Order: sequence, then C-alpha cells, then structure tokens
Amino acid sequence: GDSVTQMEGPVTLSEEAFLTINCTYTATGYPSLFWYVQYPGEGLQLLLKATKADDKGSNKGFEATYRKETTSFHLEKGSVQVSDSAVYFCALTHTGTASKLTFGTGTRLQVTL
Amino acid sequence: EPEVTQTPSHQVTQMGQEVILRCVPISNHLYFYWYRQILGQKVEFLVSFYNNEISEKSEIFDDQFSVERPDGSNFTLKIRSTKLEDSAMYFCASSEAGGGRGTQYFGPGTRLLVL
Repeated sequence: GDSVTQMEGPVTLSEEAFLTINCTYTATGYPSLFWYVQYPGEGLQLLLKATKADDKGSNKGFEATYRKETTSFHLEKGSVQVSDSAVYFCALTHTGTASKLTFGTGTRLQVTL
Repeated sequence: EPEVTQTPSHQVTQMGQEVILRCVPISNHLYFYWYRQILGQKVEFLVSFYNNEISEKSEIFDDQFSVERPDGSNFTLKIRSTKLEDSAMYFCASSEAGGGRGTQYFGPGTRLLVL
C-alpha cells in the first residue's frame, strides 16, 4: 500500500535559517502530493501541492518539487520565521473517486529568535 | 473564504456511550471525509463519502462507526459504543473533486475524550 516517510522531528531553527523537511513516498502510479501544516491547537491547512512530476508547489515562501525519479517531495523555505512554528505533514492521494489522503507522521518545526 | 466547520470542538463521553460528531462541509463540495489523529500520532483516514454512499473505508472504520448526510449541509460521524482507544482528534474534510484533482479542506477538528 501507499506510504509516506518524513524526517524525524523536532526540527529547531533560528529565525531566518534555511529549512528543509524531507519527504519520500511509496505509491503506485502517479499520486498527487501535498504539504499540510498544523499550527498549535488548530486543524490541518493545505500549504502547497503538486499533481504531476516536476511540478513545483509554492505558498508563503515554502516550496516543494515533485521528483518522480527519487519519489520525493521535500519542503523548503529560504528564511523561516517564528510564526512558521508548527507541525508539517506530507501526504499523497491518487486520482479516483473520493480518494483518501495518506499522511506521513508529521515533522514538528520550532523556530526561535 | 468558505471553510469546513465542526461541532462540538470538544466532547467528553463515557466508554460505551454513543457520540455523534458533526461537520458542515464547504457548500459546493461533493466529496466528504473523516480522519482521526490520536495524540502525537499521524493523521489516519477513516472513511470517504460521495453521492450518498461510502466510497472507501479503512480498517479502523468497523461496525461501530457510521456516517450520514442527513440533509443538504451536514455530514456526521457516529460512534455507536465508544472505547477508550477512540479518544482522538477527529477531522472532517471536503473536496470539490475527487482524488488528486480535488484538494481536501479540513475542519478544525473535534477532540473526543473517552473515559
């Protein structure tokens, strides 16, 4: 079955540092890939997505590129802020009626001043 | 901006009791989902619903669980006889299209505590 593997957290960075959160997946075919973010005490918010190989999703300074050859979708941001502190989830889904999202375990990011 | 809403935000119940978690999906969405997140663990898929029937369900979604769309706006998850291990955050989601074509938008969640 499908699976998503994320780097273990927590990740602790100073403000303005460069962020990379690794995500790799195992799936048949050509899934769509997502990053969701969960701020403390809140639900899941879509951060960005990519639906085919070599697509780059971007939002709020975050980027991730769908790499079919390495089955990866690493999340990057050039300069993190304290307000980026949250748990980040990588996820995938397939085309098809009401297809489920398969999530990774989540990576907690803590940004300090 | 349209959003998915869920009620209640918190629910405490005794083991063996029935609970109903409610969700109002985004109005023009046709696909509905329930997920749960046990504290500190990953988000797990429970069930998807389209055209008034279940499209897919996970192993977690056993006979104790049911879903319903009782009217044009609400989408409910019922747990008939709660167990301690049902304690989790339950998220409802909806999407305009299915699969990778449809982004799933999540509600804020209902935190269920079974004592």
